[in-house]
Amino acid sequence: EPEVTQTPSHQVTQMGQEVILRCVPISNHLYFYWYRQILGQKVEFLVSFYNNEISEKSEIFDDQFSVERPDGSNFTLKIRSTKLEDSAMYFCASNSGATEAFFGQGTRLTVV
Amino acid sequence: QKEVEQNSGPLSVPEGAIASLNCTYSDRGSQSFFWYRQYSGKSPELIMFIYSNGDKEDGRFTAQLNKASQYVSLLIRDSQPSDSATYLCAVNTGGFKTIFGAGTRLFVKA
Repeated sequence: EPEVTQTPSHQVTQMGQEVILRCVPISNHLYFYWYRQILGQKVEFLVSFYNNEISEKSEIFDDQFSVERPDGSNFTLKIRSTKLEDSAMYFCASNSGATEAFFGQGTRLTVV
Repeated sequence: QKEVEQNSGPLSVPEGAIASLNCTYSDRGSQSFFWYRQYSGKSPELIMFIYSNGDKEDGRFTAQLNKASQYVSLLIRDSQPSDSATYLCAVNTGGFKTIFGAGTRLFVKA
């Protein structure tokens, strides 16, 4: 069964460092998303991406965040200068449109 | 601010009983509604989706949508201990954004 894959599963970084979280969406999906979930809190929408550009973003997705689809398979989330409050699970998801999204297993980001 | 509200629980039901999970949403223009299950430390897993008013059944699960009341529910029949998880209601508000509720924790007692 096709699935969304994310790497790494756990990333520890020092405050102020840049991190790149990687995702391989399901191959025939056209819409890609990043969500985050701070421990014990709700899943929060960050950004959606379609046709090589951002479709929609939340107020959380400020200038320190960026997304890219560098090739035909990968979808990345870059955090330029990490803060302690960026520590969370980051989920990538994909779908074919305004339908159910399929989630990857997540990357746990710990900023120390 | 578009919101999705759920009772945080925990909701505790005995094995074999019906679990009823509820969700309300604020954006009247919302089009698509989803229920995800999330085990602790894991990613959300889709259970059901519903687009039209009424009921939709899939195995032990029934999703109910009432757009006039801006209300979505999930019924789990013959609840099993393995159903113990957090259930997330999610609403697509149009376009490319899906908003999640905070989730309801369900415990099924053996």
